[in-house]
Amino acid sequence: EVQLVESGGGLIQPGGSLRLSCAASGFTVTRNYMTWVRQAPGKGLEWVSVLYIDGSTYYADSVKGRFTVSRDNSKNTLYLQMNSLRAEDTAVYYCARDLGPGTGSPFDYWGQGTLVTVSS
Amino acid sequence: ESVLTQSPGTLSLSPGERATLSCRASQSISSSYLTWYQQKPGQAPRLLIYSASSRATGIPDRFSGSGSGTDFTLTISRLEPEDFAVYYCQQYGRVFGQGTRLEIK
Repeated sequence: EVQLVESGGGLIQPGGSLRLSCAASGFTVTRNYMTWVRQAPGKGLEWVSVLYIDGSTYYADSVKGRFTVSRDNSKNTLYLQMNSLRAEDTAVYYCARDLGPGTGSPFDYWGQGTLVTVSS
Repeated sequence: ESVLTQSPGTLSLSPGERATLSCRASQSISSSYLTWYQQKPGQAPRLLIYSASSRATGIPDRFSGSGSGTDFTLTISRLEPEDFAVYYCQQYGRVFGQGTRLEIK
C-alpha cells in the first residue's frame, strides 16, 4: 500500500529554518517524481517544488533560493529544507507523488500534510 | 505559464443534480497537462482526472473531464452527498486554479 507521511512542521519565528520530512512506503522515492504543495489557511493549493528522478529540482518563484528539496535513498524519504521563513510561508505542506511529465504530472498519492506556522 | 481561472467560485446544487465546473487557461495548453482534484475539509486533495479526461484509479464514472485549448470542464453527472467539496484544476503539475466550492443547496 502506498503511503506518504509528513512530519517536521511547527511554530517557527520569521527568519528561521525548518526541515520537513515525507516518509514514503509502498514505492521507491528515487524511482519517482516527488513534489511539495502547500495550502495557506483557508486558501487554495500552491505548488512549491518538485524533485525529478534524475535529481533535477524546480521551485516556485515564491520559494526559490530559500527552499531546497532533497531525498534520502536509504530512508526512502523526501525532505524540504525551508530557510529564511516568512509569515506568508504559513501553510499546510503536503508531499505527493508526481506521475511525471509523460502523463502531464498529476499527483496520485498525497500525504496528510504538516502545518508550518511562521510567527513571532 | 498559463494562469488557470475556475468558475464559478461557488456552485450550489442538490444531490442528484448535474454539476459543471469550468477551468479556463490564459493561454492554450495541451490537454495532456490538465488535471482535476477534489479536496474535502481537513483532507489532502484526491486525484480525480488527468490528461483532461482520464479518470484516476477508483474514481466513479459519474466524474468526467473534457476540453481542449483554453477551456476545460469537470462534470459530475449525478451528485452524491460525498461529492460536495472543493475542486481544483491544475496545469502540468505546477499551476493550480483557485478552486470551485461545490456546496449543498
